[in-house]
Amino acid sequence: QSALTQPRSVSGSPGQSVTISCTGTSSDVGGYNYVSWYQQHPGKAPKLMIYDVSKRPSGVPDRFSGSKSGNTASLTISGLQAEDEADYYCCSYAGSYTFVFGGGTKLTVL
Amino acid sequence: QVQLVESGGGLVKPGGSLRLSCAASGFTFSDYYMSWIRQAPGKGLEWVSYISSSSSYTNYADSVKGRFTISRDNAKNSLYLQMNSLRAEDTAVYYCAGSGWPQIDAFDIWGQGTMVTVSS
Repeated sequence: QSALTQPRSVSGSPGQSVTISCTGTSSDVGGYNYVSWYQQHPGKAPKLMIYDVSKRPSGVPDRFSGSKSGNTASLTISGLQAEDEADYYCCSYAGSYTFVFGGGTKLTVL
Repeated sequence: QVQLVESGGGLVKPGGSLRLSCAASGFTFSDYYMSWIRQAPGKGLEWVSYISSSSSYTNYADSVKGRFTISRDNAKNSLYLQMNSLRAEDTAVYYCAGSGWPQIDAFDIWGQGTMVTVSS
């Protein structure tokens, strides 16, 4: 149950696109199409942004998209807005009803 | 509205016990798989435990296995986490989170969290 690897921080200007990577192993990210992404603003509970690698819950803007290749999943945010500044976490199902999170990435909107 | 409300957090000495509760409302609790997820101060999210909708299946992170027990009471729309042999490294905000169809392998409902501090 080792944490998934995410960059500690990424940044972008309003209107630009940023991509956050999430690297695991064949036992988690690479083994299942059950990667999810969460947005967390300071002092708030996390919010689901992407599930099943690339699906968006209702209400999540289509500026948020997800993908996966091998053992690495990615979250792309296009048309960056000030309110996108937050911490982002990936999570993967790891078999036998267990899950593993990434260490988190701080997104700064310049 | 859809809501999860945790309670039961507080200050406890190392080696002590605590029972967290999570009250659900605004959705069909018995249809949801539930988890506890924690976040140490200034740190990232850590999945702690999972329980299926009918309590048939449970599992735990290695860091808490043998010390924590997850349970639920669908008649009371409630989720619980019994925490024994607490350690300083268990200090965190504990969130209950629900997974419902179709995103059953993701956490789409979250509570506001309850703080657990383990310190002498």
